[in-house]
Amino acid sequence: DTAVSQTPKYLVTQMGNDKSIKCEQNLGHDTMYWYKQDSKKFLKIMFSYNNKELIINETVPNRFSPKSPDKAHLNLHINSLELGDSAVYFCASSPGVAGYQETQYFGPGTRLLVL
Amino acid sequence: QKEVEQDPGPLSVPEGAIVSLNCTYSNSAFQYFMWYRQYSRKGPELLMYTYSSGNKEDGRFTAQVDKSSKYISLFIRDSQPSDSATYLCAGGKEAGNNRKLIWGLGTSLAVNP
Repeated sequence: DTAVSQTPKYLVTQMGNDKSIKCEQNLGHDTMYWYKQDSKKFLKIMFSYNNKELIINETVPNRFSPKSPDKAHLNLHINSLELGDSAVYFCASSPGVAGYQETQYFGPGTRLLVL
Repeated sequence: QKEVEQDPGPLSVPEGAIVSLNCTYSNSAFQYFMWYRQYSRKGPELLMYTYSSGNKEDGRFTAQVDKSSKYISLFIRDSQPSDSATYLCAGGKEAGNNRKLIWGLGTSLAVNP
């Protein structure tokens, strides 16, 4: 019944490694997002996809590469992990273009710690 | 200057108190505003949204927007320990596919029994 799910919930890894985080939503939404929340709780958008198409690509190092195989899934691959990548990564989804204001539904977050 | 400013707190109040949480914003292009609540180790969840100036009420929660002073507020009446969380305000801009939310830092609230 989980609306937006992410795997894994926790990820501890060494600097320089490559890792992926997966996100799935079963709400039938067209738009999905990746956010990074740092230790100060600041929530910053990284990417958004609408129906598998990249529509928002904020200033994010190109070590971060999102992939959307279909509109229900949005994965995030991170190459050459750095200490500063340690944060909580949230996936979110929203209905899409219908309506002006869109509620975003968040997943539980993936806590990434780079050692 | 950040587009959305919010005092991170922490704010500590006794149970039953009226809580006032506030944000200021600098971008006149914001067309709607949202309040999200985030419990510890959980994702944010929407509490309320407003499109324009004025008040919007939902149970114990009232959202207020003053576009002339670029000020948004969330009031919680009869606060409960279960209201203890971080409250994030966000401004939304642009319609269509380019819409996105700009977030404040969040205010941490503790309601003490």
